[in-house]
Amino acid sequence: DAGVIQSPRHEVTEMGQEVTLRCKPISGHNSLFWYRQTMMRGLELLIYFNNNVPIDDSGMPEDRFSAKMPNASFSTLKIQPSEPRDSAVYFCASSTGGDRGGYGYTFGSGTRLTVV
Amino acid sequence: RKEVEQDPGPFNVPEGATVAFNCTYSNSASQSFFWYRQDCRKEPKLLMSVYSSGNEDGRFTAQLNRASQYISLLIRDSKLSDSATYLCVVKIGTGGFKTIFGAGTRLFVKA
Repeated sequence: DAGVIQSPRHEVTEMGQEVTLRCKPISGHNSLFWYRQTMMRGLELLIYFNNNVPIDDSGMPEDRFSAKMPNASFSTLKIQPSEPRDSAVYFCASSTGGDRGGYGYTFGSGTRLTVV
Repeated sequence: RKEVEQDPGPFNVPEGATVAFNCTYSNSASQSFFWYRQDCRKEPKLLMSVYSSGNEDGRFTAQLNRASQYISLLIRDSKLSDSATYLCVVKIGTGGFKTIFGAGTRLFVKA
């Protein structure tokens, strides 16, 4: 099992540019989560998909952030335009069991984003 | 008050010591509980689920106290490799759940 695969591992971009982060969940997992982690705010849930449908996007900071999951094996998180305060590590995680309790998550290795 | 609270530490302990972390949660509708481990500049990894009856996995023991709304993690015979940040995770509700990660407790095990 290859685990949750994220790309790129590192991204450095200039303010105002569009950034696209990619995630491939574990095959058979029906839930996918995008998290952001910073020293100040810890792990924050941005958006959650269940069976490719966005369920809760209340954590998406603002309209500059958008996420899609066109099929069960791929998701993107896009930031347009990017700002320095978006600099963080972005994690994708997947899980089985949907929104039922009792199931832990498997995280990808993360994308370390730096906006200069 | 934060929904999930942990002592940030750091806990500095010698090899072989026993160390315990507590985590408190505020929402009585919390249903599922987990401990994750996160190494520096790595992703969080599921360490263990926490069951009502308590559970043990080798040197690690997790317990849940619903009445007082806290969970605990006990590490016996600490190893250098146990040095990491330990995240307490609480899932609230069973349908339309909400998962809350604690800010983590840092552990340093020294030789």
